[in-house]
Amino acid sequence: AQKVTQAQTEISVVEKEDVTLDCVYETRDTTYYLFWYKQPPSGELVFLIRRNSFDEQNEISGRYSWNFQKSTSSFNFTITASQVVDSAVYFCALSELGSGGYNKLIFGAGTRLAVHP
Amino acid sequence: DTEVTQTPKHLVMGMTNKKSLKCEQHMGHRAMYWYKQKAKKPPELMFVYSYEKLSINESVPSRFSPECPNSSLLNLHLHALQPEDSALYLCASSQAPSYEQYFGPGTRLTVT
Repeated sequence: AQKVTQAQTEISVVEKEDVTLDCVYETRDTTYYLFWYKQPPSGELVFLIRRNSFDEQNEISGRYSWNFQKSTSSFNFTITASQVVDSAVYFCALSELGSGGYNKLIFGAGTRLAVHP
Repeated sequence: DTEVTQTPKHLVMGMTNKKSLKCEQHMGHRAMYWYKQKAKKPPELMFVYSYEKLSINESVPSRFSPECPNSSLLNLHLHALQPEDSALYLCASSQAPSYEQYFGPGTRLTVT
């Protein structure tokens, strides 16, 4: 069965600290997709990144970076020089391509990040 | 423009009421989704429409009835709900099955 584990329930940091959010996944498929979403207090899930199982290149986008390692089934997310606006719940998700033209997102439990001034 | 809109933002309804949630996207996406999210939990998939046809029903009770009138619109009809159905209902859309899903702001539903 597919599963996503975000072991860190809550993280609290002071502004400008770097913080890494862990994500470990389980799947039997060779083709799959991994995602990170941010959910601020307003409630809307904001898409951050999508990575397919064949692309293990790390990615950097501004203060955000992602480290994908198939060998350890991990897709970790690092925020450099955190800011108060980064405070949110962050979800890691796994998607498998199913029949019938759909994909189902399997979410981790989420990590609540609090960045204090 | 990666916008998915949902109306209403908030809804309070009694257990005997009938109401509908509406979702709209103009990105040309062909897959649309309904999720339910309880407090401090991740979203749970309810329904998936692909090319305006219901592809997935995650064993959702019949008091929730989805409808996809066209490729841009997705409705969720509610009838005889229970207090435990109170939650944030999120709509999402994606360009294709393997692509990222874009979420709307959600409808916060309270059943009294």
